Amino acid sequence: AQSVAQPEDQVNVAEGNPLTVKCTYSVSGNPYLFWYVQYPNRGLQFLLKYITGDNLVKGSYGFEAEFNKSQTSFHLKKPSALVSDSALYFCAVRDIMDTGRRALTFGSGTRLQVQP
Amino acid sequence: GAGVSQSPSNKVTEKGKDVELRCDPISGHTALYWYRQSLGQGLEFLIYFQGNSAPDKSGLPSDRFSAERTGGSVSTLTIQRTQQEDSAVYLCASSPGLAGGLETQYFGPGTRLLVL
Repeated sequence: AQSVAQPEDQVNVAEGNPLTVKCTYSVSGNPYLFWYVQYPNRGLQFLLKYITGDNLVKGSYGFEAEFNKSQTSFHLKKPSALVSDSALYFCAVRDIMDTGRRALTFGSGTRLQVQP
Repeated sequence: GAGVSQSPSNKVTEKGKDVELRCDPISGHTALYWYRQSLGQGLEFLIYFQGNSAPDKSGLPSDRFSAERTGGSVSTLTIQRTQQEDSAVYLCASSPGLAGGLETQYFGPGTRLLVL
């Protein structure tokens, strides 16, 4: 079984400050990890993903995420937040070894609020 | 090129009626997924199609839910005898369907279903 935890329902940060949105995961094998962002009344937009290789993954809109195998975490980060980053962020995982299940398992989502 | 499109964008129906939701995947994508996003349950996988293979229906919550994919492209999700707990946003995603399934899923804007 695979699962994802996003421990914070909401993260508040001032514009220009660094932001972190936390994600931890559980899989039987090796993880395939994603971050998506959802703006109001919109679908999910892909931000970045990790399969193998460099633990620091860079994605769209200046976001990056760090894969930490020992802590089973994949936290989303951005050095300087923008008001326009305010949205709902989802972490998702798939077990690479589970070739039968192609669907992603999503976390509950974290609402990011960036104050001007 | 065009992204994933879904119709209708909003649907209001009465309890007990049947509804059909449509998804047009990205051209050339052979894999198609349906997810449901609701307040209480977060983002849940419903069903997955890959080419001409038998679909993975493991996420369908009851036998009132069914889906088909005609000609390997457009998909229709049908909910029979709708219940109020079916109210949610229904999201469709597609991906290229490459071997191993290690690929990004691209989401449509969703259909917001309200059952009165």
